[in-house]
Amino acid sequence: QQQVKQSPQSLIVQKGGISIINCAYENTAFDYFPWYQQFPGKGPALLIAIRPDVSEKKEGRFTISFNKSAKQFSLHIMDSQPGDSATYFCAASTRPGYALNFGKGTSLLVTP
Amino acid sequence: DAGITQSPRHKVTETGTPVTLRCHQTENHRYMYWYRQDPGHGLRLIHYSYGVKDTDKGEVSDGYSVSRSKTEDFLLTLESATSSQTSVYFCAISQLAGGNNEQFFGPGTRLTVL
Repeated sequence: QQQVKQSPQSLIVQKGGISIINCAYENTAFDYFPWYQQFPGKGPALLIAIRPDVSEKKEGRFTISFNKSAKQFSLHIMDSQPGDSATYFCAASTRPGYALNFGKGTSLLVTP
Repeated sequence: DAGITQSPRHKVTETGTPVTLRCHQTENHRYMYWYRQDPGHGLRLIHYSYGVKDTDKGEVSDGYSVSRSKTEDFLLTLESATSSQTSVYFCAISQLAGGNNEQFFGPGTRLTVL
């Protein structure tokens, strides 16, 4: 049973556009929400993460928006670049040290 | 890859044979995890460890066992490999910096069971 639901499955964005990936969860015990970026043949790399006590976190062109009441969070990639083309995973975990529950991933293609 | 190595990086084996994958870290992190990645499923937890000789099962643990005799090494064993265990296996580590569960992943092992 997928505890974190991610959409869309794939996304095509033009260079300079905004990429938006959404995730939803049911378990209110989740208190850590990271996003990972994965290039082909590589392991996932931590991109940005948020705790539920804040509604937004920004790092460079990447922003997480978090809506606790709706149990949803999203990743926004501003000024998307071809080098951002990768698979993105959202995840959630409960207590520190516990495993991450991953969404199924979104394949992002940024066209020149 | 945050001081994480996995070996072997690629392996082809036959159904019914035992297989052991190794994860080695140089970060002295307490927590270690094994995930498998399959198309359409994302990453799913197999087993994890919260200290030497302390391990627990994850979501898809059937057919797998683990051992951790040293902080730096976490072994994943497929007791009798099946074709359904063909997958890419990732090891991850975590030290819970500031209460956050920041997990760092290794480069992966691609396993094919014929």
